[in-house]
Amino acid sequence: GQQLNQSPQSMFIQEGEDVSMNCTSSSIFNTWLWYKQDPGEGPVLLIALYKAGELTSNGRLTAQFGITRKDSFLNISASIPSDVGIYFCAGQDSGGSNYKLTFGKGTLLTVNP
Amino acid sequence: DAGITQSPRHKVTETGTPVTLRCHQTENHRYMYWYRQDPGHGLRLIHYSYGVKDTDKGEVSDGYSVSRSKTEDFLLTLESATSSQTSVYFCATTGALNTEAFFGQGTRLTVV
Repeated sequence: GQQLNQSPQSMFIQEGEDVSMNCTSSSIFNTWLWYKQDPGEGPVLLIALYKAGELTSNGRLTAQFGITRKDSFLNISASIPSDVGIYFCAGQDSGGSNYKLTFGKGTLLTVNP
Repeated sequence: DAGITQSPRHKVTETGTPVTLRCHQTENHRYMYWYRQDPGHGLRLIHYSYGVKDTDKGEVSDGYSVSRSKTEDFLLTLESATSSQTSVYFCATTGALNTEAFFGQGTRLTVV
């Protein structure tokens, strides 16, 4: 099946710094999604991308759907303590109609005040 | 928010016993999913449903079965729980565009 490589696995940053994380795939996706998970909660959707080359922002978050359709990145600007959590990328393949999503293993973000 | 409720939220069970987890949604979404989350593995798909009585296997389906007799309910059953099934289980449904998955709050299952 498809595999998503998400990096980095973890990040320790100071409040106010910018953050960047990315996902690469062994196959083409037609949708990329970015989620954040707080401790003890389910993942919450941050940004959805549907078109190659698309660049979408949600507040301090910006995500892009790679031109090759095999990668995506998420940037967080001016990080704050509440950005702490696990960030997941997810992709939907282009071959089927069953809407299965494949998830990366997550990036654990720690923000030091 | 797709109005997803998982029950129970926490459960401890003994090896060899059957366990059923329930996912209930109020948005009339067609697609529903069960994932398990384990450290170092992220979220892995167990089973999914694309309609009432229509289900299919995901990547880690061994030892699990599912049923969907109504649009709003998707049940995950461990016929004979094993310690390797200790995990956090998440239910998800698709949103209006049929691609964005919205998650429940999870069920923490411990098999002793």
